[in-house]
Amino acid sequence: KAGVTQTPRYLIKTRGQQVTLSCSPISGHRSVSWYQQTPGQGLQFLFEYFSETQRNKGNFPGRFSGRQFSNSRSEMNVSTLELGDSALYLCASSFRAGFYNEQFFGPGTRLTVL
Amino acid sequence: GEDVEQSLFLSVREGDSSVINCTYTDSSSTYLYWYKQEPGAGLQLLTYIFSNMDMKQDQRLTVLLNKKDKHLSLRIADTQTGDSAIYFCAEKSDNAGNMLTFGGGTRLMVKP
Repeated sequence: KAGVTQTPRYLIKTRGQQVTLSCSPISGHRSVSWYQQTPGQGLQFLFEYFSETQRNKGNFPGRFSGRQFSNSRSEMNVSTLELGDSALYLCASSFRAGFYNEQFFGPGTRLTVL
Repeated sequence: GEDVEQSLFLSVREGDSSVINCTYTDSSSTYLYWYKQEPGAGLQLLTYIFSNMDMKQDQRLTVLLNKKDKHLSLRIADTQTGDSAIYFCAEKSDNAGNMLTFGGGTRLMVKP
């Protein structure tokens, strides 16, 4: 069974641009969560989608948005990029939302903002 | 809000046991996890424990939970150089969907 895939793996953008990152969950998984990892702030929750609906949102500005498609693939978008948005963006997929379920992480997309 | 704390660094010799500690504040935490991150990689789920359990053993890994003190530990027996990585504990509340709150990570260095 293929794991969680994220594309692209590396991305370089300049301040003010926007970026879209993609996450394909494990086949059959319907929940996708996004996290930002930086040396200063660690791992922070961005948002979670289940069956195309946003279930939870972390404490990030409105420049960060996401969506989920009917095939459970998810995208996140960051508009008007700032230097501080440079980070490793990780997505995690799980079979269902709520209760216990294993969350499997992808390898991440490393975003560098110049 | 919820907070999860870990010590930053641990160094052990190959073959010794490693113990990585974690404290959390959310009393509604229902599930607690340990993840491993190697350089340039994502997070690998190592093990988990329900909040109504005290201990869980999985091969070389032993998780201990003291719910009263909100203290979680991960013991790695017979630590190998391949265990060198950053270890994160994370907690999930029953009323927060799949949102995980992570600690800052403990960097484990295993010396041959």
